[in-house]
Amino acid sequence: DTGVSQNPRHKITKRGQNVTFRCDPISEHNRLYWYRQTLGQGPEFLTYFQNEAQLEKSRLLSDRFSAERPKGSFSTLEIQRTEQGDSAMYLCASSLDVGHSGYTFGSGTRLTVV
Amino acid sequence: SQKIEQNSEALNIQEGKTATLTCNYTNYSPAYLQWYRQDPGRGPVFLLLIRENEKEKRKERLKVTFDTTLKQSLFHITASQPADSATYLCAPLRWSNTGKLIFGQGTTLQVKP
Repeated sequence: DTGVSQNPRHKITKRGQNVTFRCDPISEHNRLYWYRQTLGQGPEFLTYFQNEAQLEKSRLLSDRFSAERPKGSFSTLEIQRTEQGDSAMYLCASSLDVGHSGYTFGSGTRLTVV
Repeated sequence: SQKIEQNSEALNIQEGKTATLTCNYTNYSPAYLQWYRQDPGRGPVFLLLIRENEKEKRKERLKVTFDTTLKQSLFHITASQPADSATYLCAPLRWSNTGKLIFGQGTTLQVKP
């Protein structure tokens, strides 16, 4: 297992377009998290899955954002009608359990909305 | 509301010295506290986890303390090296079913040769 994989690494899109990012977590990890990070800030929590169930969603996540984790494996994060304020690094992380070990993050997808 | 504060100013130190980074939290009673390292353009990498009943944790040149009375964690890197230059993030974790991490804004460490 090579860790958490995110694709694409970079995405440039025009305002108003839809974009989709993919995250492949570590295979035995049942928990998956999406975060967003802007320059100079720590990662901000967006949403959390345990297996295929989306159990928590941040108020930061407007209705233009949707995430799925079909069959509890990979996850996708879609942003509809992108805005310039959506430009950020989108990070995915996975973990096996709560608190006893650290979370494994992917390298992120850098989104630029022009 | 919950608040996590890390020094926003970069910390510049000379190679070989000990770097000490601070993480303060308010309106919070974390059961665990995690520290991560983040290099530019990369995702955070887990370094250490300390539990509320542990005062101190060590791993090689790293040492973390956790003072639940002061609501503070200190992160030390001894014998610092230029390769230690990065941003360090703390994430206090309350006991909850989700294990959702809330991060501080990070402190950038620059170790000069």
